[in-house]
Amino acid sequence: KQEVTQIPAALSVPEGENLVLNCSFTDSAIYNLQWFRQDPGKGLTSLLLIQSSQREQTSGRLNASLDKSSGRSTLYIAASQPGDSATYLCAVNSNQAGTALIFGKGTTLSVSS
Amino acid sequence: GAVVSQHPSWVICKSGTSVKIECRSLDFQATTMFWYRQFPKQSLMLMATSNEGSKATYEQGVEKDKFLINHASLTLSTLTVTSAHPEDSSFYICSAQDRGPGAFFGQGTRLTVV
Repeated sequence: KQEVTQIPAALSVPEGENLVLNCSFTDSAIYNLQWFRQDPGKGLTSLLLIQSSQREQTSGRLNASLDKSSGRSTLYIAASQPGDSATYLCAVNSNQAGTALIFGKGTTLSVSS
Repeated sequence: GAVVSQHPSWVICKSGTSVKIECRSLDFQATTMFWYRQFPKQSLMLMATSNEGSKATYEQGVEKDKFLINHASLTLSTLTVTSAHPEDSSFYICSAQDRGPGAFFGQGTRLTVV
């Protein structure tokens, strides 16, 4: 059974710092991995999607890497801003497109000004 | 990207009543939609897979008679929480996929049963 773990559970940093969020999964046979942002009481916003054949994806100040063989992904946030404060969720799609995602518990990020 | 709309965003109901939550794919057709539940400080947990024109597939431990799912069209799935109790209070969220690999989520529904 696929399990997704995110470390740390919470992180507080001052504005401007670069930071790394970690995600690990137990079964390396994944179809893709997706990073989401969730603001309190809100839905999910997709940030980056990495296909199993890819090693990284970039969008603005965000960079996500994938090491499928070791079951790990990282989300790198450059020059953090207070507006980045949110919970970041990692999710894997274990089978194929059209199947449900398996989520980690998330990392709650707080960026202070 | 594709847009998924979920309604209502929040609802408060009395214990014993039923609540219906709608999930719509606005600009694409979704043969499959998913319903998740999220308790505070917990991960999103899959409740069921909603298939257009057929019965939903429920995850282990989810009561199908309590959480009724109807996927009547390619753009609409509904989740009805029947005879709601305070322990059903949670954040419910749906997702759907278009032809691409990514999943798109609704805004979520905060259900409070009093």
